[in-house]
Order: sequence, then C-alpha cells, then structure tokens
Amino acid sequence: EVQLVESGGGLVQPGGSLRLSCAASGFTFSSYWMSWVRQAPGKGLEWVANIKQDGSEKYYVDSVKGRFTISRDNAKNSLYLQMNSLRAEDTAVYYCARSGMAAAGTFDYWGQGTLVTVSS
Amino acid sequence: SYVLTQPPSVSVAPGKTARITCGGNNIGSKSVHWYQQKPGQAPVLVIYYDSDRPSGIPERFSGSNSGNTATLTISRVEAGDEADYYCQVWDSSSDHRGVFGGGTKLTVL
Repeated sequence: EVQLVESGGGLVQPGGSLRLSCAASGFTFSSYWMSWVRQAPGKGLEWVANIKQDGSEKYYVDSVKGRFTISRDNAKNSLYLQMNSLRAEDTAVYYCARSGMAAAGTFDYWGQGTLVTVSS
Repeated sequence: SYVLTQPPSVSVAPGKTARITCGGNNIGSKSVHWYQQKPGQAPVLVIYYDSDRPSGIPERFSGSNSGNTATLTISRVEAGDEADYYCQVWDSSSDHRGVFGGGTKLTVL
C-alpha cells in the first residue's frame, strides 16, 4: 500500500524557516517524480515544487523561488521542503504527492498534509 | 502563465448528471487530471489523462477534453459526491509548472 506521511509543520514567525519531510513507503520511491502542493485555509490547491527521480531537475512556483528548496533522499525514501524567509501568505496545509514516472504525470497519491502557520 | 478557469459552484439533484468545466487556452492539447477533495481530507485523483479512471473510482465519473474546455462528468450523482473538484495540467511552456484550476464546489441538492 502506497503511503506518504508528512511531518515538520508548525507555527513559525515571519522571516523564519521550517523543514518539511515526507516519508514514502509501499512503492519504489526512486522511480517517481515527487511534488509538494499546498492549500491555504479556505482556498484552492496550489502546486509548489517538484523534483525528478534523481534530483537533477527541480521546478518551483514563482512565489517561492529563491526561498524554498525541494530535495529528496532516495536511500531514505524521503522528500523534503526547506522553507526560508517565510511569509504570512505561506500559511497552508502542505501535501506531499507522488507525481508519476514522467515529468507531466498525475498526482496519484497524496499524504494527509502538514499545517504550516506563519504568524507573529 | 497558464490559467485554468472553473465555475465556483455547481448544484445538481441526486440521480442527475453534473458537469464541471475547466477552461484554458487550447487545453485540448494538454493532458488534464481531476481531483476530488472532501472537507478535511486530502485530494483524491478521480480522472487522469483527460478520461482515464483510477481503480476504485466509479464508472459514473468520466472526463473529456477538447478545444478550450475540459469537462468532468458525474452521472447518477449521489450525496457522497458532494465535494470540491479541481482540474490540473502541467504548463511545459513555463519551466514545467503544475497548474490547478480554482476549484468547483459540487452541491447535491
């Protein structure tokens, strides 16, 4: 059974940093692109970033470029999102999602999400 | 950047057919995926690559994509189908970014 479990969310002050983790199991992690998708309270889904199987390609939504870094450790079946210079508008539930073997795949499995709150 | 437009809400009586649209410039040339999200839950994939259904998704869910509009169709709507629905594509012309529509709240009357 495919499982994605996020952790690392919490309350952080504006300008602060946070590192999210996603532990994957039930599939060959190193064979898939992986993504982070977020959802602000009461709002829609927003794709944040994705990373290729070997980490050689990474893409970001404009609003987080230069502040967030996506990475992965295939030996640990884990996906990460390092978030720096956090802003109030980054407040959201962050989901880890498996996004296919090809670059333009589908988000076929999602974690339960971890809440990040940026507030003083 | 590429924009997907969905109606904020669609209402339908039980047993009837609901159609949720997703508009985008020449969206017919892209692959469209659809997600269902119920309150307090993570999204669930219901249609991928325009019209394919994942295992476990009822045949009542179907999809189409042509021209500037993709459509998610739910036949014989049930109370349990009430949820938010999102369309999604990849914008390969813009650094390979994921794009979601704004979401449509399906209300079963």
